[in-house]
Amino acid sequence: NAGVTQTPKFRILKIGQSMTLQCAQDMNHNYMYWYRQDPGMGLKLIYYSVGAGITDKGEVPNGYNVSRSTTEDFPLRLELAAPSQTSVYFCASSPLSGVAEKLFFGSGTQLSVL
Amino acid sequence: GDSVTQMEGPVTLSEEAFLTINCTYTATGYPSLFWYVQYPGEGLQLLLKATKADDKGSNKGFEATYRKETTSFHLEKGSVQVSDSAVYFCALSEAGGYNKLIFGAGTRLAVHP
Repeated sequence: NAGVTQTPKFRILKIGQSMTLQCAQDMNHNYMYWYRQDPGMGLKLIYYSVGAGITDKGEVPNGYNVSRSTTEDFPLRLELAAPSQTSVYFCASSPLSGVAEKLFFGSGTQLSVL
Repeated sequence: GDSVTQMEGPVTLSEEAFLTINCTYTATGYPSLFWYVQYPGEGLQLLLKATKADDKGSNKGFEATYRKETTSFHLEKGSVQVSDSAVYFCALSEAGGYNKLIFGAGTRLAVHP
C-alpha cells in the first residue's frame, strides 16, 4: 500500500515559471489537502478537497490553483512562481470528516524559487 | 481565529532524560488536539491525540493530557532515546469539520547518547 505519493521530491524554479506538484493516494479517501511548511513555521493549509470536483480555499491560497478530477489525484499548480513560494509542500488525505486522526501525509516536495 | 503556540526549539537532551514540550491553544469551540512527529526526510505522522477535556493521549512512551482550564496539551516522555530525535508539531482540528488542522510552529528535539 503506497499511501500518499508526492512528486517531485525536490524542484528549483526560476521566478515566473510554472509547475504542477503531483499528489496521489490509493486509499480511496474522500478528503485531500495541500499544506505548505515554511522554515520555523507550522504547516498552513493552501487548498483542500472533499471529493472529486469539489475544492475550497484554505488559509493561504493566493498564487496556487488546484483541481480534483478523480478521487485519487489532487495536483497543485503554481502559475507564476515567486520567491515567497519557496517552501516544503505536503499533501495529505483522510477518509471521512470527524476522523482527523486518520490524516495521512506524503513525504513532501521541497521547492525553491530563485 | 483558532491558533496553536508551542515552545521554540531546538530542545537538546541526553538519552534517558525527561522531555516536556509545551503547547497551548486558542479555540472558539471544542477541538480535538494532536501531536504529530516528523522524522528527517519524511512526512508527518500522528503520534497521539485527545478528543475531549481531560483525555490523555499516549503512544510509544509519549503522553499528553487535554487541559481545557489551561488550554494546554503538553507533550511528555519519561526517558527519551536517540531515535526520538525529530520535529514535533502540536495541532488542533479546525472548526467547520473536514479534518482541517491548525499546526504550531514545531519543536525540534535532538537527543544525544
